[in-house]
Amino acid sequence: DSGVTQTPKHLITATGQRVTLRCSPRSGDLSVYWYQQSLDQGLQFLIQYYNGEERAKGNILERFSAQQFPDLHSELNLSSLELGDSALYFCASSVGRGGSGELFFGEGSRLTVL
Amino acid sequence: AQKITQTQPGMFVQEKEAVTLDCTYDTSDPSYGLFWYKQPSSGEMIFLIYQGSYDQQNATEGRYSLNFQKARKSANLVISASQLGDSAMYFCAMSESGTSYGKLTFGQGTILTVHP
Repeated sequence: DSGVTQTPKHLITATGQRVTLRCSPRSGDLSVYWYQQSLDQGLQFLIQYYNGEERAKGNILERFSAQQFPDLHSELNLSSLELGDSALYFCASSVGRGGSGELFFGEGSRLTVL
Repeated sequence: AQKITQTQPGMFVQEKEAVTLDCTYDTSDPSYGLFWYKQPSSGEMIFLIYQGSYDQQNATEGRYSLNFQKARKSANLVISASQLGDSAMYFCAMSESGTSYGKLTFGQGTILTVHP
């Protein structure tokens, strides 16, 4: 158990819909990262928040947005869903803004868009 | 731009044997980190080992060691005494300095199958 909690674990929805994925980082971790794992794109970094502020951005679509709340949990919002958004979405956390060492990954939220 | 290459889509190893999973990287950044993660069929990402670009010695964590050859830009994972539970997808990843070490670039992965 990494200590990172993601909900929901599985989600099935239709095209055009909007979903919210939630992540609670490990106790004491200030940084939260979102990754997308799909068959065609592999594992891709989406976005990072550090203590409530956006820190780094990757290949995140404009239809996607994220935020980190004062209690440090984070939400990834996916809107106007398309079939290609079906993927496993990971949240990870670390203590600081970066620095060496591991990221702790949650178990992922598997999104299926029908 | 950073790039991670894992040239072995699949590898097979006999139980109790050692296996090496290949990883090469490309970066112009003098400061970087290299990671290996394991993803079992259940889907979670499990951290295995980390190597910093300035670390003089190869990283080791139990049965895992990272064969870091900086001049060749390779960071191969060596698993000694393979176990059936080692069967999984293995990802090599790199972080960049500056903005965020947590912004990892992943390779495409290698599926390892351990035979009894």
